[in-house]
Amino acid sequence: QVQLVQSESELKTPGASVKVSCKASGYPFTSYGIMWVRQAPGQGLEWMGWINTNTGKPTYAQGFSGRFVFSLDISVRTSFLEMSSLRTEDTAVYFCATDSAMEGVDVWGQGTTVIVSS
Amino acid sequence: DIRMTQSPSSVSASVGDRVTITCRASQDVNNFLAWYQQKPGKAPKLLIYIVSSLQSGVPPRFSGSGSGTDFTLTISSLQPEDFATYYCHQTNNFPYTFGQGTKVEI
Repeated sequence: QVQLVQSESELKTPGASVKVSCKASGYPFTSYGIMWVRQAPGQGLEWMGWINTNTGKPTYAQGFSGRFVFSLDISVRTSFLEMSSLRTEDTAVYFCATDSAMEGVDVWGQGTTVIVSS
Repeated sequence: DIRMTQSPSSVSASVGDRVTITCRASQDVNNFLAWYQQKPGKAPKLLIYIVSSLQSGVPPRFSGSGSGTDFTLTISSLQPEDFATYYCHQTNNFPYTFGQGTKVEI
């Protein structure tokens, strides 16, 4: 079964860090890049960036470099989103997905809710 | 960056209605245009890719058309399960971008 399974929800205080994981199964891990998408409460989908699962090279959308880092552990077929110096406005659901839509392959994680609150 | 502008932002419709959502890109996306449906608390679901290709398992009442910078998603006969938010998405250039969404309401 082709799927991405994300880590559980997190509650963090401002200034803290968090690392969200996204584990792939059911397909060759390096076949597709992994993109990260943010959805703030009541808002639309925002593309954060993408990581090449062959090279590990990340590409970040404007506004998502610096505090946001994408990484991989190919040995366990897992992608990571690490966020540092968290702010209340980082409160959102974070989705990972394969970059395969234009091949008719639709694989999304279930989403990880990150709440930043004092 | 390629800006994707959807219209309308919301639409009120009834079961059986024909619904059309448009998406305009700020530059040519070379047909790398997809449509997603999202329901509350769920991940987006791919409906259409490469402008007009119907994703496996998606009912044929959904269709996509367009080229260049102007695209359309049509639901030919709205069903109760179609009340959701719809997004267009381009993957022609980094950064990939989404439209702001169109909420289809009863």
